[in-house]
Amino acid sequence: GDSVTQMEGPVTLSEEAFLTINCTYTATGYPSLFWYVQYPGEGLQLLLKATKADDKGSNKGFEATYRKETTSFHLEKGSVQVSDSAVYFCALSDRNTGFQKLVFGTGTRLLVSP
Amino acid sequence: GAGVSQSPRYKVAKRGQDVALRCDPISGHVSLFWYQQALGQGPEFLTYFQNEAQLDKSGLPSDRFFAERPEGSVSTLKIQRTQQEDSAVYLCASSPLAGGPDTQYFGPGTRLTVL
Repeated sequence: GDSVTQMEGPVTLSEEAFLTINCTYTATGYPSLFWYVQYPGEGLQLLLKATKADDKGSNKGFEATYRKETTSFHLEKGSVQVSDSAVYFCALSDRNTGFQKLVFGTGTRLLVSP
Repeated sequence: GAGVSQSPRYKVAKRGQDVALRCDPISGHVSLFWYQQALGQGPEFLTYFQNEAQLDKSGLPSDRFFAERPEGSVSTLKIQRTQQEDSAVYLCASSPLAGGPDTQYFGPGTRLTVL
C-alpha cells in the first residue's frame, strides 16, 4: 500500500539556519503530495502542496518540489525563525483511492532556538 | 468563518465504556474524514463521508468503531467497549468538494484516554 517516510526528529536549528526535512513516498498510483504543520496547541494546517511531477509548492518561505524520479518531496526553508518551531507532516493522497484519504508520515519535530 | 470544531476536546473513559466524539465541519463542506493519531505518530485514516454517505470505512480498526453523518453535516464517531489501545487523538477534517486532491481542513482533535 501507499506509505510516506520522513526523517526522524527532532531537528534542532538556530534562527536563520537552512532547513531541510526529507520525505520519500511509495504509491501505487500518481499521488498528490502535501506538507502539513502542527504548531503547539493547534490543529494540523496545510503548509503547501503539489499535484504533479516537477511542481513546486511554496508558502511562508517554505518550498518543496515533487520529484517523481526519486519519489521525494523534501521540505526546505532558507532561513528559519523561532516561530517555525512545530511538527511537520508529509502526506500523500492517491487518485487510486479517489484522493479521498491522506496517508501521513510520522512527523518531524523542528525546534528553532534564538 | 468558523473552522472545523470537535467536542469534547478531552475525554477520559474507563475501559469498557462507550464514547461518542462529535465533529462540526466547515459549513457547506461535502467531504468529511476521521483520522486516529497515536502518540508520536502521524494521523491514520479511519473513514470518509461524502455528504451523508459513508464511502470508505476501511480504516476503522474493529467493529467497535462506528461513524455516522446522518444529515450530511455534523458527524459522530462512536467507540463501543473502549480498550486501552483506543487511547489516541481523534481528528476530524473536512473539504469543500467530493474527490480530487483538495485541501483538508482539520479540527483541533479529541484526546481520548482509556484507563
